[in-house]
Amino acid sequence: QKEVEQNSGPLSVPEGAIASLNCTYSDRGSQSFFWYRQYSGKSPELIMSIYSNGDKEDGRFTAQLNKASQYVSLLIRDSQPSDSATYLCAVYSSASKIIFGSGTRLSIRP
Amino acid sequence: DGGITQSPKYLFRKEGQNVTLSCEQNLNHDAMYWYRQDPGQGLRLIYYSQIVNDFQKGDIAEGYSVSREKKESFPLTVTSAQKNPTAFYLCASSTDRGNYGYTFGSGTRLTVV
Repeated sequence: QKEVEQNSGPLSVPEGAIASLNCTYSDRGSQSFFWYRQYSGKSPELIMSIYSNGDKEDGRFTAQLNKASQYVSLLIRDSQPSDSATYLCAVYSSASKIIFGSGTRLSIRP
Repeated sequence: DGGITQSPKYLFRKEGQNVTLSCEQNLNHDAMYWYRQDPGQGLRLIYYSQIVNDFQKGDIAEGYSVSREKKESFPLTVTSAQKNPTAFYLCASSTDRGNYGYTFGSGTRLTVV
């Protein structure tokens, strides 16, 4: 079992719809959770951090955390073509290091 | 502006050659990391350093070497022992060992010619 699992996609979503990206993790002692966006040929950019159960909203982005189910998600409302990228889920584990998922490729179709 | 600078952006290596990738940060972060990313793949940890003059191997350290003589600098050498070095190399840094996430540099794309 991978430590941080994501569906590789591609996930295709029409422009203006909600994109939902999911991630599960194996280490119950994990403390912090992150979503990075990576455009093709570029480096990852941190877009959301979440540290406690529940929802955290920032503009069109909402991160959701459920520690009991070991599940993190990212919702993107009003999806735009500029949201087309690979989204990496990352977890700060009990071993004091960040573990990255392999990423979900998101494509927003006009 | 604070950030991480990686250079060069593109690097070409001949067979049997060692090359060094530069990573400098002015964020006053204690920890620094090197990752490798192959096309369509996730990030794989090569080496990391949580304090000056100390570093640890990551998951794929064979064929690579690092040094951490200054807090701001964490260069990566790709040696001739690395048989498949063509990849995108990413340097990152963090405070508090990553509890608040990593900041990445813009990357170096290495190609063997």
